[in-house]
Amino acid sequence: KNEVEQSPQNLTAQEGEFITINCSYSVGISALHWLQQHPGGGIVSLFMLSSGKKKHGRLIATINIQEKHSSLHITASHPRDSAVYICAVSFGNEKLTFGTGTRLTIIP
Amino acid sequence: EPEVTQTPSHQVTQMGQEVILRCVPISNHLYFYWYRQILGQKVEFLVSFYNNEISEKSEIFDDQFSVERPDGSNFTLKIRSTKLEDSAMYFCASSPRTGLLYGYTFGSGTRLTVV
Repeated sequence: KNEVEQSPQNLTAQEGEFITINCSYSVGISALHWLQQHPGGGIVSLFMLSSGKKKHGRLIATINIQEKHSSLHITASHPRDSAVYICAVSFGNEKLTFGTGTRLTIIP
Repeated sequence: EPEVTQTPSHQVTQMGQEVILRCVPISNHLYFYWYRQILGQKVEFLVSFYNNEISEKSEIFDDQFSVERPDGSNFTLKIRSTKLEDSAMYFCASSPRTGLLYGYTFGSGTRLTVV
């Protein structure tokens, strides 16, 4: 069965801390996406990865294809980073399979 | 930056009524998608649409659901006879070509409440 698992489900940290959110998947994928969902519900695409590492500002995403694992890192976290972060993968077709999300809360 | 626009942002409908959710994808995008998220649950794929036809659909997308691109700009999701369990946030997404290579842009969602 094609599954995506994320950890942790909830994460609370102090402003400035380095944040890591993990995603693992069950079988080979075409691509992995990291998405951000704010309280209003809208979804914003952060990264699309098929190998290696990508960086955008304070966000870094890595993927290890052999281990079927990806991580999203946030450096120098800020309260405005508080959101739900979702991992989603393409198992070779057009649809995305989503993880359950990680609710991140950054305390000032 | 180009956006995917969804209207309305919130719709309340009575059980058994038909509802149409509207989306305006990014203008030069060719692939279109609908997803839904029941409160507290994962986002789930409903359907993908390309070249004026459904390219893939999930088990959720039964005969009660249909999609249409009526005028070359709008992309709609119709639910013929709504049930209580259709209450969810519905997201439209689009991609310039296949999302497998080019990724997806999501709309801000329509929250559907069936009463």
